[in-house]
Amino acid sequence: AQTVTQSQPEMSVQEAETVTLSCTYDTSENNYYLFWYKQPPSRQMILVIRQEAYKQQNATENRFSVNFQKAAKSFSLKISDSQLGDTAMYFCAFMKHEGGGADGLTFGKGTHLIIQP
Amino acid sequence: DVKVTQSSRYLVKRTGEKVFLECVQDMDHENMFWYRQDPGLGLRLIYFSYDVKMKEKGDIPEGYSVSREKKERFSLILESASTNQTSMYLCASSLGQGANQPQHFGDGTRLSIL
Repeated sequence: AQTVTQSQPEMSVQEAETVTLSCTYDTSENNYYLFWYKQPPSRQMILVIRQEAYKQQNATENRFSVNFQKAAKSFSLKISDSQLGDTAMYFCAFMKHEGGGADGLTFGKGTHLIIQP
Repeated sequence: DVKVTQSSRYLVKRTGEKVFLECVQDMDHENMFWYRQDPGLGLRLIYFSYDVKMKEKGDIPEGYSVSREKKERFSLILESASTNQTSMYLCASSLGQGANQPQHFGDGTRLSIL
């Protein structure tokens, strides 16, 4: 079984600052996918970024980037130039490669990120 | 855009009632999922389905069942609701073409069992 750990229940930064959310995971799988999801107060869960474990290059989506360290089983999310709209719960999630995506995600407990004006 | 629709945003039921939570997706996705979200616990997988009439238990299936009679619809059933099933329930769907396909979520149903 997989476990995902997010050690920061809540973080608060000023607008325009850079913030890093941490995530570690434990698995015996070699091939897997990692995701960061965002859940704003409106409750709609939105995919922020994803990483394939066999790719060494860190994924980037505009202001969002990850630092994927496979040996350390670490998958942190960096948000650059943070904006008020980034205020949300952020969840780190894991999915095994086998099963074709039909196995469901294993989520961390989430980090509540607050961007202060 | 993918649309995952959950029939109710808020629902209040009584202990012992049979409760149905409905989820419909409009993108012909093979995979559908039900999660439960509780503060401090994140999301936990209850059941999932990779095809019509197929279902698999997730991490916390006790007290729940599911039904998938049509590809677009996935129902979560609380056979006899209990107060510890008060929670936020999220439905999701994804294409069945690999684990890198993202899951698309509905808005959630906040269920209260009195």
